[in-house]
Amino acid sequence: DVKVTQSSRYLVKRTGEKVFLECVQDMDHENMFWYRQDPGLGLRLIYFSYDVKMKEKGDIPEGYSVSREKKERFSLILESASTNQTSMYLCATPNQGANSGYTFGSGTRLTVV
Amino acid sequence: GENVEQHPSTLSVQEGDSAVIKCTYSDSASNYFPWYKQELGKGPQLIIDIRSNVGEKKDQRIAVTLNKTAKHFSLHITETQPEDSAVYFCAASSGGYQKVTFGTGTKLQVIP
Repeated sequence: DVKVTQSSRYLVKRTGEKVFLECVQDMDHENMFWYRQDPGLGLRLIYFSYDVKMKEKGDIPEGYSVSREKKERFSLILESASTNQTSMYLCATPNQGANSGYTFGSGTRLTVV
Repeated sequence: GENVEQHPSTLSVQEGDSAVIKCTYSDSASNYFPWYKQELGKGPQLIIDIRSNVGEKKDQRIAVTLNKTAKHFSLHITETQPEDSAVYFCAASSGGYQKVTFGTGTKLQVIP
């Protein structure tokens, strides 16, 4: 089974800082996703990537960018952090095979002050 | 794009009772419907899924049903136990890049 690791469990950043959230998977999967989770709003897709250097906007990409230089690593970047980006961020990759669900990382709880 | 609605947002049941969570979706092209369980401090974990060519699927105490005509699907948990307490998310996917749209979540509390 694939393992998804998010490097930081908790982060506190100041408004205006550039923030990097890192995600690594260990099975050479092509597709990787970044979601944010907010109470009452569920999980909303920010960006996804289907191969190295390939990316697509999700439903709420504003204020974010991503980087995928290597297949196993997918980074989410907050160009200039704002308080409304305080949230739980979850990285995911599909399990092996089509329509087989996702494996998620444990999440990064980001607080912007 | 796809829109998934989930109800109720919170659900409290007595241990041993059944729990039902309902979802509707908007995109008739959606053909895969997973359910995730998220325990405190963890990422969501896939617990069961159903594909559009199947009307019902069961795995021990959990079951999912799908009505494609009405565009709704449900999660049923029987004989609930305290360890079933968690947040549950439904989701729908039409397959492109395996992109998934999630519902807003249901917080289930099982009272011992």
